[in-house]
Amino acid sequence: QSVVTQPPSASGTPGQSVTISCSGNSSNIGSNYVCWYQHFPGTAPKLLIQRSNQRPSGVPDRFSGSKSGTSASLAISGLRSDDEADYYCAAWDDSLSGYVFGTGTKVTVL
Amino acid sequence: EVQLVESGGVLAQAGGSLRLSCAASGFSFSTNSMVWVRQAPGKGLEWISYISSSSSKVSYADSVRGRFTISRDNAKKSLFLQMNSLRPEDTAVYYCARAAPLDYWGRGTLVTVYS
Repeated sequence: QSVVTQPPSASGTPGQSVTISCSGNSSNIGSNYVCWYQHFPGTAPKLLIQRSNQRPSGVPDRFSGSKSGTSASLAISGLRSDDEADYYCAAWDDSLSGYVFGTGTKVTVL
Repeated sequence: EVQLVESGGVLAQAGGSLRLSCAASGFSFSTNSMVWVRQAPGKGLEWISYISSSSSKVSYADSVRGRFTISRDNAKKSLFLQMNSLRPEDTAVYYCARAAPLDYWGRGTLVTVYS
C-alpha cells in the first residue's frame, strides 16, 4: 500500500476545473520534487508536471501543479472529454531510496 | 526521438524466472538513471527498482527485494530485470522509464504468473 495518497476519483463537466490532491510525508513530497502523470490503461504514462510545477514542452497550460509542505496538487482547467484518465503523483523517497507513486485518481468527465 | 521498448513478458509458472529487457534509443542512455515500474491488474503504478547511470547504485521495493535484480548494458543501450522466484502477485504490466524525472516510458510488457 502506497504511503502517498490521492482521492480515488474526481469528476467534472466539460469546461469545469478539477483539482487532485496528493498527500505524502517528509521523506518524499516534503523533501523532493513531485511529478504528475496521465495514464490511459495499456499505454505509456505521460509526464504532465515535473519539478512540482513545471510543464514539459507540449503539455497544455490547462494542467498546473503546486506543492506545499508534504502535499501537492494537480489542477485541470477547461476539462475536456479526452482528459478522462487515471492520474498519478510521484516523488523520490529518501528513506526508501526509490520512487513512490500516489494511489491514483480516476478523472471522469460527466 | 526517445524510445523505450520493453520485451520478455510471458506466461510463467510460480517459482520460475524471467528476464525482461528494455531497449533504449534517441538519447544518451549511459548518462541517465533508469527504473522499472509495474501495474498489476486493477491496481495503481508501483515503482520496483532503480539503477544509476553507472550501475553504482541500485535499489528495490520491498515487494521484490531479494528476488529481482536490475542491471544495464550501456554499450548496448539496454536495461534488464531478472525476475526469480516469481509469485502470482507479480502479474503485471512492467514498464521501464528514464529518470529523473521519469519523463519517458515504454509501452510495457505483460508478465502473467500462474500457480
